[in-house]
Amino acid sequence: EAQVTQNPRYLITVTGKKLTVTCSQNMNHEYMSWYRQDPGLGLRQIYYSMNVEVTDKGDVPEGYKVSRKEKRNFPLILESPSPNQTSLYFCASSLLAELDSPLHFGNGTRLTVT
Amino acid sequence: AQKVTQAQTEISVVEKEDVTLDCVYETRDTTYYLFWYKQPPSGELVFLIRRNSFDEQNEISGRYSWNFQKSTSSFNFTITASQVVDSAVYFCALSPRSYNTDKLIFGTGTRLQVFP
Repeated sequence: EAQVTQNPRYLITVTGKKLTVTCSQNMNHEYMSWYRQDPGLGLRQIYYSMNVEVTDKGDVPEGYKVSRKEKRNFPLILESPSPNQTSLYFCASSLLAELDSPLHFGNGTRLTVT
Repeated sequence: AQKVTQAQTEISVVEKEDVTLDCVYETRDTTYYLFWYKQPPSGELVFLIRRNSFDEQNEISGRYSWNFQKSTSSFNFTITASQVVDSAVYFCALSPRSYNTDKLIFGTGTRLQVFP
């Protein structure tokens, strides 16, 4: 089954403790991205990647890192989480070659930073 | 500016009523895509429709229909004979082709509550 898999679904952590949210897709998609969803703000892009070893900042990259060492994986890293990073996070992927291919989203990771 | 506005924060209807969710967008691009996503209480994002800027035909899919009007920069979504299972947050999104990526610019969402 074609899918984008995020782990974990729920995560509670404390300020300053490094964490990684994993994202994996099995569709051989070039494009992957991370969004965060906050009440009243909709979804905003954090980082994106056009292909292996190619990443770039989205609209709200501060406090986050990403890497794209393999095509299928695009982990989101919070080196020193803070309470303002409490949010619902979504990973997404698409096949760039098809200009009108929709983004496929993972099921989300709800992060709470205390 | 590249922007999507969903002015309705929350809508409540009784089952079987028709309901329209408004979406107004702004973009400099002549080529772009518009999307609607549904987010049920379980939290995942469900793709509903994609429309490109050159196709202004309205679309109907069962109880769902979409009205795309470039003249007013709107892409409204109507649910006919609403059901309790339609209760969700609905997001409208814009993908300008000038970005040369599949980045989506989301509206802030409309929460629809359908009461039995």
